[in-house]
Amino acid sequence: SQQGEEDPQALSIQEGENATMNCSYKTSINNLQWYRQNSGRGLVHLILIRSNEREKHSGRLRVTLDTSKKSSSLLITASRAADTASYFCATDPGGGNKLTFGTGTQLKVEL
Amino acid sequence: ETGVTQTPRHLVMGMTNKKSLKCEQHLGHNAMYWYKQSAKKPLELMFVYSLEERVENNSVPSRFSPECPNSSHLFLHLHTLQPEDSALYLCASSQDMKGRDTQYFGPGTRLTVL
Repeated sequence: SQQGEEDPQALSIQEGENATMNCSYKTSINNLQWYRQNSGRGLVHLILIRSNEREKHSGRLRVTLDTSKKSSSLLITASRAADTASYFCATDPGGGNKLTFGTGTQLKVEL
Repeated sequence: ETGVTQTPRHLVMGMTNKKSLKCEQHLGHNAMYWYKQSAKKPLELMFVYSLEERVENNSVPSRFSPECPNSSHLFLHLHTLQPEDSALYLCASSQDMKGRDTQYFGPGTRLTVL
């Protein structure tokens, strides 16, 4: 069954604005990861947050995790046109690296 | 480049054909994965290999047959596929299967079954 579910399904913003995507999941997790996919290409790992962490930063990315609400958010600050892509959260319930992905948020950053 | 290559990048086949997808990783990883990505559906994990041994087979129909001859190569053999099998097939690898191991994805093979 689907573990992660992203919200919104699609997001369109202007360059320079911040983009926030949310992910909800159903069962307890070992860690949660965010990936990015450019149209029709493979996924690229962005950031991993462990179940005992609440916030993590990487460059213009900020991820939060609330295990009590079973949710995570990805914030991209000062967005650029090159950030246009689909963003997926993936959960690892059992710690064995068998990831379950959501349906993704399609982000479009316009000039 | 992520260090994971897939060939071919595009494949069109009839329902009676037999074809194979190839994945190669140049990262020295021990685990390899096959995923299926269909339109408007979450990425589905199909098979997992760890140290060349299959450790996961997520109720995938037998018309998909994986093979892992060594830790650097992974194949997906296809036969008598259905049109609903048309999708992007992604290969990934990770150092091991411990939690927190980042998965590195190839660019995928876009498969169309006529």
